[in-house]
Amino acid sequence: EAQVTQNPRYLITVTGKKLTVTCSQNMNHEYMSWYRQDPGLGLRQIYYSMNVEVTDKGDVPEGYKVSRKEKRNFPLILESPSPNQTSLYFCASSFRLAGWDTGELFFGEGSRLTVL
Amino acid sequence: TQLLEQSPQFLSIQEGENLTVYCNSSSVFSSLQWYRQEPGEGPVLLVTVVTGGEVKKLKRLTFQFGDARKDSSLHITAAQPGDTGLYLCAGVRDSNYQLIWGAGTKLIIKP
Repeated sequence: EAQVTQNPRYLITVTGKKLTVTCSQNMNHEYMSWYRQDPGLGLRQIYYSMNVEVTDKGDVPEGYKVSRKEKRNFPLILESPSPNQTSLYFCASSFRLAGWDTGELFFGEGSRLTVL
Repeated sequence: TQLLEQSPQFLSIQEGENLTVYCNSSSVFSSLQWYRQEPGEGPVLLVTVVTGGEVKKLKRLTFQFGDARKDSSLHITAAQPGDTGLYLCAGVRDSNYQLIWGAGTKLIIKP
C-alpha cells in the first residue's frame, strides 16, 4: 500500500531533550516536506527536499533540522525542543513539484508533539 | 501574514443545504489545490485547478479558479454528513513551486 509513515504518532517530552520524528514513503517520490499545523494558522512549511541531499528552508525552519540521505526517508530533528514547538506535525511527499505540473501531496497521519 | 485567506473559518449547516468556501489572495498562483482533512488524518487532495476560469466538478463539489488565478471557490450542493471535515486550499507559488496554505474551513454537516 502506498503510504507515508510517521513515527511517533504521539510524543510528550520536556524542554531541551533532543528528539527525532521519522518519515518514510514507499512511493519513490522525489519531493518531501515537513509541515506543522496549529489552530487558525493552517499548515506552515518547515523544510522541504526536492531530492536526495537537497534540502531547503520553508517558512518556519527555526529550531528544526532535516536530512535527506535516502530517497525514502526525511527525518525531522528538534535539537532542543521548546514549548512553542508543541504542534501537530505532518510529513508529505510528492512525485514532484514543478510549475503547472504540481503533483498531489501525500500526507502521513501526523505526529502530535507536546513539549513541556 | 496569511497570503491565502480562506473564509469562512467555520461553518455548521444542516444536511441538504448548499455552501461555498472561498480562498482569496492578492498573489497570482500557477495552480491551486483543495484538500480535505478528517480528524486524526493528514489532508487528502480533492482537486487541482490550473487554468484561470477553470471549473471542475467532483460529484456534488464544484471547484472554480478565478480568471486572474488569485482566488478559488468550493461549492457543495446538498451537503451530506460525510462532507464534514477541514477543507484546505493551497496555492502554488510561481517563484519556487512551493505551496501556500489557507488556514482552513472547518465544516460540520448536521443530520
